[in-house]
Amino acid sequence: DAGITQSPRHKVTETGTPVTLRCHQTENHRYMYWYRQDPGHGLRLIHYSYGVKDTDKGEVSDGYSVSRSKTEDFLLTLESATSSQTSVYFCAINGGRSYNEQFFGPGTRLTVL
Amino acid sequence: DQQVKQNSPSLSVQEGRISILNCDYTNSMFDYFLWYKKYPAEGPTFLISISSIKDKNEDGRFTVFLNKSAKHLSLHIVPSQPGDSAVYFCAASAFGNQFYFGTGTSLTVIP
Repeated sequence: DAGITQSPRHKVTETGTPVTLRCHQTENHRYMYWYRQDPGHGLRLIHYSYGVKDTDKGEVSDGYSVSRSKTEDFLLTLESATSSQTSVYFCAINGGRSYNEQFFGPGTRLTVL
Repeated sequence: DQQVKQNSPSLSVQEGRISILNCDYTNSMFDYFLWYKKYPAEGPTFLISISSIKDKNEDGRFTVFLNKSAKHLSLHIVPSQPGDSAVYFCAASAFGNQFYFGTGTSLTVIP
């Protein structure tokens, strides 16, 4: 296993509340990613980071912010959760035999009521 | 707009036969392609990849073919086994920074 954990694994929250999801890696990899998985859409990139304090937007970044103050932690924040953000969120890091291979965390199932 | 497409949401194959999963892409700048396998309630796991300088890559029962002119790649699994039943995602990247995933194909291998 690549040493990626996500917390919490499950969360139910109400519309309008802030939510922070955490991704933690023990592999010291530079690149970290946040995706969401939805039926009919596959995996879509929200934000990614290429180093401490270095982040960039993905294809579905609206309504999300990220922070990376340490190599091992990448936080995803929903400032004011909406029902459209109900999804399964996956964190990933680059690594393996090729820098292009991504290892994924176990996912966080978020429900916004 | 979906840059990576998997047009077959599901596929059923008999055990021992070949499974062929297809993927099309639109961005000619993609230079690296990957296949991932996903079981329910787990994160995707890397399966096999191919660089745009190649047209075929093999790893055991898994072979990925790339046809750049058609912007098409396929994953062949031979022989298919019941444990291969999962959702398969293809993905593509340009210069390794961002990865674009297809919508997935659910493979069922029938014993």
